[in-house]
Amino acid sequence: NAGVMQNPRHLVRRRGQEARLRCSPMKGHSHVYWYRQLPEEGLKFMVYLQKENIIDESGMPKERFSAEFPKEGPSILRIQQVVRGDSAAYFCASSPRTGEYEQFFGPGTRLTVL
Amino acid sequence: QQQVKQSPQSLIVQKGGIPIINCAYENTAFDYFPWYQQFPGKGPALLIAIRPDVSEKKEGRFTISFNKSAKQFSLHIMDSQPGDSATYFCAARGGGTSYGKLTFGQGTILTVHP
Repeated sequence: NAGVMQNPRHLVRRRGQEARLRCSPMKGHSHVYWYRQLPEEGLKFMVYLQKENIIDESGMPKERFSAEFPKEGPSILRIQQVVRGDSAAYFCASSPRTGEYEQFFGPGTRLTVL
Repeated sequence: QQQVKQSPQSLIVQKGGIPIINCAYENTAFDYFPWYQQFPGKGPALLIAIRPDVSEKKEGRFTISFNKSAKQFSLHIMDSQPGDSATYFCAARGGGTSYGKLTFGQGTILTVHP
């Protein structure tokens, strides 16, 4: 059973460009969570999605950031008009269904904004 | 009220020592407390987790102690090994409308000398 997959693993963007981060949950998992880790800090929750629904987006910045988890395909975290402060590691986690506690994390996408 | 405070920030022990990492929380709606281990360049991996109706849980060399009245919990690593050198994060899962979201502590960098 493959783990949570994220791509790309490393992404370099210039200020003002768009960044698209992809997350494929573990097989059978329908809940996806996105977290951001700034250098030498803990992980901060961004958004929690189920298939075709955003359940909790309380950690998402109000502008430039959006997330989706379509019926088919991976979950996408999209950052428009990136700024240097967006440079961080972005982790995706998945869990099987409501009531299942464990979240399994992917290897992360390290975004660098030049 | 959503914070989880973790200490110490860093910890150095000799092989065979018993490092202890502490976490404290305020939100009594938290209902699940996992510990994650993260190696450089990797995603966090679940180590051990506990629910608030249990005071202690042991898995191999890792033990969580939980004090519900004090709203504190800690990780003990018995017979620590150099391979345990990593960053450790405590976390708490919110109940109610924050169901699913993990709130992480700031992390503890553990170094185990041979």
